[in-house]
Amino acid sequence: NAGVTQTPKFQVLKTGQSMTLQCAQDMNHEYMSWYRQDPGMGLRLIHYSVGAGITDQGEVPNGYNVSRSTTEDFPLRLLSAAPSQTSVYFCASSYLLSDSRQETQYFGPGTRLLVL
Amino acid sequence: TQLLEQSPQFLSIQEGENLTVYCNSSSVFSSLQWYRQEPGEGPVLLVTVVTGGEVKKLKRLTFQFGDARKDSSLHITAAQPGDTGLYLCAGGRESYQLTFGKGTKLSVIP
Repeated sequence: NAGVTQTPKFQVLKTGQSMTLQCAQDMNHEYMSWYRQDPGMGLRLIHYSVGAGITDQGEVPNGYNVSRSTTEDFPLRLLSAAPSQTSVYFCASSYLLSDSRQETQYFGPGTRLLVL
Repeated sequence: TQLLEQSPQFLSIQEGENLTVYCNSSSVFSSLQWYRQEPGEGPVLLVTVVTGGEVKKLKRLTFQFGDARKDSSLHITAAQPGDTGLYLCAGGRESYQLTFGKGTKLSVIP
């Protein structure tokens, strides 16, 4: 299993450009999430999905779109990049173990984005 | 919005020393997770605690969940350089909708 994979690893954009950050998992997990990590801010939830076709907003959704057409893939789209979106983006996947509140959670290696 | 406050923000200790990191909130969490993150990598889940008063041990790491499920602590015994990293606590009703603390950056000096 590759786990959670993210592409690209690094990206430089100019203000106003659009791009898609890719995230894929091969563990058949139901749940997937996108977070951004900024210095001194911890990780903040952007969007999440509880299954194919179902997405919802997190704490900081403005400027980002997501879709979940398959269980495996959860791309994050920046519609018109702004310098405030300079950050490290992490995708995560998880599922709830049956008959338990124990949950697994796996993070990808991250995409480092610089918006000029 | 549920907030998690971690302390200390930075910690630098000598190899062999013990340390405790704290994660506090005014809100009740159904579960709390602890992660370790190394530079340039994603967070790695260490443990999930779900029951008030629960204590879990992972080799030299001991995790506690407060009785009221509002706070948690991570204690490391005889720290080693390999323990160096950013320690994050996170909580929430669901694993896909976590609130993270800002982290404790630990440096263990050989």
